[in-house]
Amino acid sequence: EVIMTQSPAALSVSPGERATLSCRATYSVSMNLAWYQQKPGQAPRLLIYGASARATGIPARFSGSGSGTEFTLTISSLQSDDFAIYYCQQYHNWPFTFGPGTKVDIK
Amino acid sequence: QLHLQESGPGLVKPSGTLSLTCTVSGGSTGSSSYYWGWVRQTPGKGLEWIGDIYYRGTTYYSPSLRSRVAISVDTSKNQFSLTLSSVTTADTSIYYCVRRSVNGRRGGWFDPWGQGTLVTVSS
Repeated sequence: EVIMTQSPAALSVSPGERATLSCRATYSVSMNLAWYQQKPGQAPRLLIYGASARATGIPARFSGSGSGTEFTLTISSLQSDDFAIYYCQQYHNWPFTFGPGTKVDIK
Repeated sequence: QLHLQESGPGLVKPSGTLSLTCTVSGGSTGSSSYYWGWVRQTPGKGLEWIGDIYYRGTTYYSPSLRSRVAISVDTSKNQFSLTLSSVTTADTSIYYCVRRSVNGRRGGWFDPWGQGTLVTVSS
């Protein structure tokens, strides 16, 4: 099983600032990685797939990069609507696995 | 726009069977482009993929749950279902139904997600 880790566990950012979230896999997952956003009381929402492709309707301030075992989600200028928990997920190998999440809150 | 909605009992007794149904609207479970599945979320274990099914009936299950789980699809009703047997308190979770994109020989991403339903295992 591919174990996903995320860092930091929590990140305090001021509105308008950049946020950089990291995700690491224990084995190479090529570019078969997705990012999700989850707000309290809601289901996760797909942001990024294929490590860098934005899902439909996702603003350009969200960008993904990386391949193999190291991935990054960047939010270029945080808006109030972006404060949430972010999860990465690999779909390179079965079983599909998620990271523990990074909570982004207001500084 | 595709919409997924979970339904089923919110309380299951230990050693019993958890059964949930997901109703799909705005799309078809008979599509060859997607799988239909389940993910659960607990505060302790985070997000956990349970398994999914293709319209032809091919299933994929998490090894940790394979002995207890079954997923089925009813394309005539545009629904798919989850059963999890011999439940314990560790199975208390929010259960989400999801659509998974086909991605060649690899898996795929989950989009969209249902709103989720809390299932509590308790006597």
